[in-house]
Amino acid sequence: DIQMSQSPSSLSVSVGDRVTITCRASQGINNNLAWFQQTPGKAPKSLIYAASRLQSGVPSKFSGSGYGTDFTLTISSLQPEDLAIYYCQQYYAYPFTFGGGTKVEI
Amino acid sequence: EVQLVESGGGLVQPGGSLRLSCAASGFTFSDHYMDWVRQAPGKGLEWVGRSRNKANSYTAQYAASVRGRFTISRDDSKNSVYLQMNSLKTEDTAVYYCVRDGELSGVYYFDYWGQGTLVAVSS
Repeated sequence: DIQMSQSPSSLSVSVGDRVTITCRASQGINNNLAWFQQTPGKAPKSLIYAASRLQSGVPSKFSGSGYGTDFTLTISSLQPEDLAIYYCQQYYAYPFTFGGGTKVEI
Repeated sequence: EVQLVESGGGLVQPGGSLRLSCAASGFTFSDHYMDWVRQAPGKGLEWVGRSRNKANSYTAQYAASVRGRFTISRDDSKNSVYLQMNSLKTEDTAVYYCVRDGELSGVYYFDYWGQGTLVAVSS
């Protein structure tokens, strides 16, 4: 199975900060990488697919980059509604696997 | 508007069975792959399985942890996908999410999630 590792596991930030989360795959996955946001008590929400493509309706303050094994999610100016756990996921090979999550908190 | 509504969760004893349903609306259901993803209490996300569409013969794929115990099926006439769970174990306790797949150049990715349904396996 492809292992996905995220760093950091938690992040303490201030409103307006630029936030970067890293995701690393244990083997190359091309650009078959997605990012999800989960706010407390809610279902995950899709943010990005194909490493850098924004899902419909997702604000442009979210951006993704990377290819192969190393990927990043960036939030350009953090707002209170962005406090959540962020997960990366590879869909290059079965079984699909997720990173352990990055908790972004004030 | 895409909507996915799961139902069928509840409390079941170890070794028991449960069938989850996911009712879809707001899109052409038959065109899409559908997945199930679960989340144990306080834990991360775990992919459970996938149902391909009619064009791909409705074939399914499963995580090793559920293969042989869980079965995904779908009824395009009812815009619904199902997760039949047999021989349930305590470690199957989780919120189960139904997920629609988008497609880009023949590669399928998760795009919309349901609100989830809780399955608790306990004696």
